[in-house]
Amino acid sequence: DGGITQSPKYLFRKEGQNVTLSCEQNLNHDAMYWYRQDPGQGLRLIYYSQIVNDFQKGDIAEGYSVSREKKESFPLTVTSAQKNPTAFYLCASTPGHPSSYNSPLHFGNGTRLTVT
Amino acid sequence: ELKVEQNPLFLSMQEEKNYTIYCNYSTTSDRLYWYRQDPGKSLESLFVLLSNGAVKQEGRLMASLDTKARLSTLHITAAVHDLSATYFCASLLAGDSNYQLIWGAGTKLIIKP
Repeated sequence: DGGITQSPKYLFRKEGQNVTLSCEQNLNHDAMYWYRQDPGQGLRLIYYSQIVNDFQKGDIAEGYSVSREKKESFPLTVTSAQKNPTAFYLCASTPGHPSSYNSPLHFGNGTRLTVT
Repeated sequence: ELKVEQNPLFLSMQEEKNYTIYCNYSTTSDRLYWYRQDPGKSLESLFVLLSNGAVKQEGRLMASLDTKARLSTLHITAAVHDLSATYFCASLLAGDSNYQLIWGAGTKLIIKP
């Protein structure tokens, strides 16, 4: 079955360390997204990518970095510059062209990051 | 500022009762999305509303869209415990093949036996 795989499910890190969250999709989607969710809050866009080797900052990109070297993969690095990185991180994808507006985002199962 | 406002943010209700969640948005989009999130889980798509007057129903949930009022509603009929979850609406912000959603804060729904 096609879908989005995020790993790991839970991640614990010490403050000051960089950490990379994995997101892989086999839906053949062009566009991929990273969202952050804090307890009791909605989703905030960190980065998105419409095509390979191209990505744009979302609303809260500071302290994060991404790469899009392959269509299937969109890893997110949480750097030590991110002041409050503890959160639930969700990766999503869409086909990526205007007709995809008729389709919902497909989400992975998320990674819960705790930094102490 | 482009925003999406949901109300109520928290709703506790009895089984078999009816209720409505409201989603007001300030974008000019005619596309509105509803998602469900169970505690500690990811988001599951419920409805995609594509035009003014759109109405979609799945089981005890029915969603509608009024683009002139910039309002979408999610109506719950004869609620059952399994519908307890957090419900999000999101409005499309689109341009130049760019697909971004503006999200509401979510409505946490608790249905008591």
